[in-house]
Amino acid sequence: DAGVTQSPTHLIKTRGQQVTLRCSPKSGHDTVSWYQQALGQGPQFIFQYYEEEERQRGNFPDRFSGHQFPNYSSELNVNALLLGDSALYLCASSEGLAALSSYEQYFGPGTRLTVT
Amino acid sequence: AQTVTQSQPEMSVQEAETVTLSCTYDTSESDYYLFWYKQPPSRQMILVIRQEAYKQQNATENRFSVNFQKAAKSFSLKISDSQLGDAAMYFCAYRSFYSGGGADGLTFGKGTHLIIQP
Repeated sequence: DAGVTQSPTHLIKTRGQQVTLRCSPKSGHDTVSWYQQALGQGPQFIFQYYEEEERQRGNFPDRFSGHQFPNYSSELNVNALLLGDSALYLCASSEGLAALSSYEQYFGPGTRLTVT
Repeated sequence: AQTVTQSQPEMSVQEAETVTLSCTYDTSESDYYLFWYKQPPSRQMILVIRQEAYKQQNATENRFSVNFQKAAKSFSLKISDSQLGDAAMYFCAYRSFYSGGGADGLTFGKGTHLIIQP
């Protein structure tokens, strides 16, 4: 049973560029959440996708956008990269909307983004 | 908005001993979930234990147990018989029980770095 996978593992971008990160959820999961984890901090919730729609969003600017595909995989896009966007980006999957389950989220290994 | 506070940036324990990691949270909600996640150097966040706020009984998973004090908004993690493999960052996290209103994402604390001394 494949867990949550993310690609790429590491990425280096220049300030002002755009980046796309990818996530495949655990088998049987249809909900994907994205988190940003700055160095030495806990993860911060960016947004969640369910049924190909953004359902919830944390306190992140519109430069952060996403997409969910019919196979439940998801992309996180960040435009106009800033130095402060350097972080570990975690994807988590779960089964169904939060209210319908105990909402155990399974995390991927993350993508380390460095903005120079 | 909910907040989660972990006041211990780092804890150290001898192998086979018991250690307790602290977590407090602030919320106006009556129903919610609390979690402890472990993040080893491999970076992958692993769920250690979960507590539903409506359950009075403290959750237990093998060597891991929690002390959930709802009135005090406290949720500590006790690790018994510590093992070298327990060394990691430990994060306390909160989630609202009800969907909607931006409540589905987990709110994490800043983490506690647990060191296991051989």
